[in-house]
Amino acid sequence: SIELTQPPSVSVSPGQTAKITCSGDAVSDQFTYWYQQKPGQAPLLVMYKDKERPAGISERFSGSSSGTTATLTISGVLAEDEADYYCQSADTSSIVFGGGSTLTVL
Amino acid sequence: EVQLVESGGVLVQPGGSLRLSCTASGFIFSVYGMTWVRQAPGKGLEWISYISSRGLTIYYADSVKGRFTISRDNAADSLYLQMNTLRDDDTAVYYCARSESERLAGDHWGQGTLVTVSS
Repeated sequence: SIELTQPPSVSVSPGQTAKITCSGDAVSDQFTYWYQQKPGQAPLLVMYKDKERPAGISERFSGSSSGTTATLTISGVLAEDEADYYCQSADTSSIVFGGGSTLTVL
Repeated sequence: EVQLVESGGVLVQPGGSLRLSCTASGFIFSVYGMTWVRQAPGKGLEWISYISSRGLTIYYADSVKGRFTISRDNAADSLYLQMNTLRDDDTAVYYCARSESERLAGDHWGQGTLVTVSS
């Protein structure tokens, strides 16, 4: 079965660039999706098909994928970006989430 | 505006049963797949089930296979999750989500409903 590995935490100062990685064999042949979840809220899709941004998502969010690692990049980080971020992939009959990464804005 | 509203979450004893509902509005429900995802307290997201737009394709996570049943009523714009033989580790917030494809957990999510399994 698919396994996706994320760093538990990422810290960055306001205005800097945050990179959150997601590693796993599935990343190399399936699309990766990214969700943002703030405390007490439902997840929000912020990136789909590796690098496509849904309507309404800030241009500061971008995605990339190379080999077995997908990366969500947040440029010019704001305090409001502080949240948990989850990557997600799929195989033929299941969906898998990474363990999640907590982004802390220092 | 896409809206998904879950209901049915309550406190239930181990071994008990429960049916969750998710009512959709703001989009043509019958053309989208739907997914249930749960999140145990303080834990990450766990996908548990997917159903295609007409209900012809259904998938389950191993953790719920044989105990949970996903279904939908397109005439009522509603998604359901029948949960049987509940265990303590089924305690979680359960989210329904709209899925453009069976590889995407959800492009729109409800606010979730809390299921607590405890004696």
